Amino acid sequence: QQQVKQSPQSLIVQKGGIPIINCAYENTAFDYFPWYQQFPGKGPALLIAIRPDVSEKKEGRFTISFNKSAKQFSLHIMDSQPGDSATYFCAASKAGGGNKLTFGTGTQLKVEL
Amino acid sequence: ETGVTQTPRHLVMGMTNKKSLKCEQHLGHNAMYWYKQSAKKPLELMFVYNFKEQTENNSVPSRFSPECPNSSHLFLHLHTLQPEDSALYLCASSQGAQGYEQYFGPGTRLTVT
Repeated sequence: QQQVKQSPQSLIVQKGGIPIINCAYENTAFDYFPWYQQFPGKGPALLIAIRPDVSEKKEGRFTISFNKSAKQFSLHIMDSQPGDSATYFCAASKAGGGNKLTFGTGTQLKVEL
Repeated sequence: ETGVTQTPRHLVMGMTNKKSLKCEQHLGHNAMYWYKQSAKKPLELMFVYNFKEQTENNSVPSRFSPECPNSSHLFLHLHTLQPEDSALYLCASSQGAQGYEQYFGPGTRLTVT
């Protein structure tokens, strides 16, 4: 049973657009929600993360919005650039969960000129 | 670079071969992980080691055998693999028992013929 559902599977936006990637989780014990960015030939790299005590977190052009009641969180990329073209994974983990991150299936983002 | 290196980067092996994947982290972390990444599927956690002790085996077939001689090195020994084992194998590390921030290596692209 997949515990973190991610959508869309792929996304194409124009340069300067704001792609939004959504994730939904089932386990209310999750208390840490990171986003990873993966370029071809590279491993996933931690991009930004949020805990459920806040509803939004910004780091540069990347923003996580978190809705605890709906059990959903999303990644927004402001002023997207071709260099942002990558695969993005959401994940979730819980305290006492033994270091286990549960990942979504990934979103392949392409930013066109 | 993330401070996590993996060798080899590419590996082609027959079903009767025995090979090993190597991972080394230069971050001073205490926990190390093996993940399997297949197309269109979430990253699958395979094994977790904390302070050289295996703390997680996510129902991985015995043809995959991990080894962690110290906190900086992790191996994955492979034998009699199946074609469906072809995937990208990622190593990651984190600090501490609740190491939410995991740092990934670039992965080994494994093809089983």
